[in-house]
Amino acid sequence: GQQVMQIPQYQHVQEGEDFTTYCNSSTTLSNIQWYKQRPGGHPVFLIQLVKSGEVKKQKRLTFQFGEAKKNSSLHITATQTTDVGTYFCAGIGTYKYIFGTGTRLKVLA
Amino acid sequence: EAQVTQNPRYLITVTGKKLTVTCSQNMNHEYMSWYRQDPGLGLRQIYYSMNVEVTDKGDVPEGYKVSRKEKRNFPLILESPSPNQTSLYFCASSLSGGWGNQPQHFGDGTRLSIL
Repeated sequence: GQQVMQIPQYQHVQEGEDFTTYCNSSTTLSNIQWYKQRPGGHPVFLIQLVKSGEVKKQKRLTFQFGEAKKNSSLHITATQTTDVGTYFCAGIGTYKYIFGTGTRLKVLA
Repeated sequence: EAQVTQNPRYLITVTGKKLTVTCSQNMNHEYMSWYRQDPGLGLRQIYYSMNVEVTDKGDVPEGYKVSRKEKRNFPLILESPSPNQTSLYFCASSLSGGWGNQPQHFGDGTRLSIL
């Protein structure tokens, strides 16, 4: 079946450093969503990418969708302690959501 | 306030004792879904519902049942819980699902421990 893998599983960075998480699907995705889950919290929607090669920015966060629509990335510039949490990508099929395994980010002040 | 409400938030129970986790949303969303979250495995979809009386299996439906008799409610039923169903469960809803490309709104989660 369809699988969505995320790397790395964990990332520790010093505050101010950049961070990137990568999402790879075994099949072509129609679109992809990104979510953030704070420790002890629930996933919160960040963004959705639909078009091949699409790039979207939200302040310090940059999201990319690969040309082949099989991979995606989230890049955070100059991390802050408020960025701590687990970031998930979710590939969307016909009514089904396939979440990646997540990348847990820790930011050291 | 727009929200997805799950109950209970925490439950410790024993093997074989039927239980129901309720989920309710007040946003008039058509699509609702249940996930389980386990360390290292991310979120895995158990069941989803595209609308009232329309449900389908996700990736890990074994041992679970759902129903969608009203638009706002989507309970998750464990008829005979087993220890491997110990997990953190999330209910989510969205205006529409799948190709509809709408963000999912998640409940606060239910932590189930089955002894």
